[in-house]
Amino acid sequence: QVQLVQSGSELKKPGASVKVSCKASGYTFTSYAMNWVRQAPGQGLEWMGWINTNTGNPTYAQGFTGRFVFSLDTSVSTAYLQISSLKAEDTAVYYCARHGYSSSWPDYWGQGTLVTVSS
Amino acid sequence: DIQMTQSPSSLSASVGDRVTITCRASQSISSYLNWYQQKPGKAPKLLIYAASSLQSGVPSRFSGSGSGTDFTLTISSLQPEDFATYYCQQSYSLITFGQGTRLEIK
Repeated sequence: QVQLVQSGSELKKPGASVKVSCKASGYTFTSYAMNWVRQAPGQGLEWMGWINTNTGNPTYAQGFTGRFVFSLDTSVSTAYLQISSLKAEDTAVYYCARHGYSSSWPDYWGQGTLVTVSS
Repeated sequence: DIQMTQSPSSLSASVGDRVTITCRASQSISSYLNWYQQKPGKAPKLLIYAASSLQSGVPSRFSGSGSGTDFTLTISSLQPEDFATYYCQQSYSLITFGQGTRLEIK
């Protein structure tokens, strides 16, 4: 069965970096793109962008350029989200979610990774 | 960017009620509209894709309709497990979510 398993919660200080992983199983990793979605505490869903798992080409939503980097390791079917120069407002749950190249709607989601930024 | 506006933002209803949530896009998105359900502490779950197609495994009491700029999600007879937050999402041009509709027990 399709599974996206994300890395565990992180507690970071302002200015630090964090790397969240999303390991896929149960399907061919390169047949689906990977999205990243942020949800701040008590807030709605915010799409951060997606990465083409065939080419490694990322697309970032407005507001998620510069400090946010999507990457892949296709040898282990894993997508990564790295956030640098962390700020308190980056505190959120981060989700990965796949979508088919011919479908465009994210269907399977990871369980989410809570990143807390606090001094 | 395409903006998505849901209404209402919150809704109180009873088990067995018929409930409708609406979603409006700031420009035409054809049928590139999807609906998700999210329960506290859980990842969103895809309910409806392409405006009206029911995702596999989702109960038939959920239905979607609309095209262009106006869309609806209908739950025909609310069940206790349906109390959650619902999001619309457009995938016509990149991805944008609506702000969510919180469905609470009356």
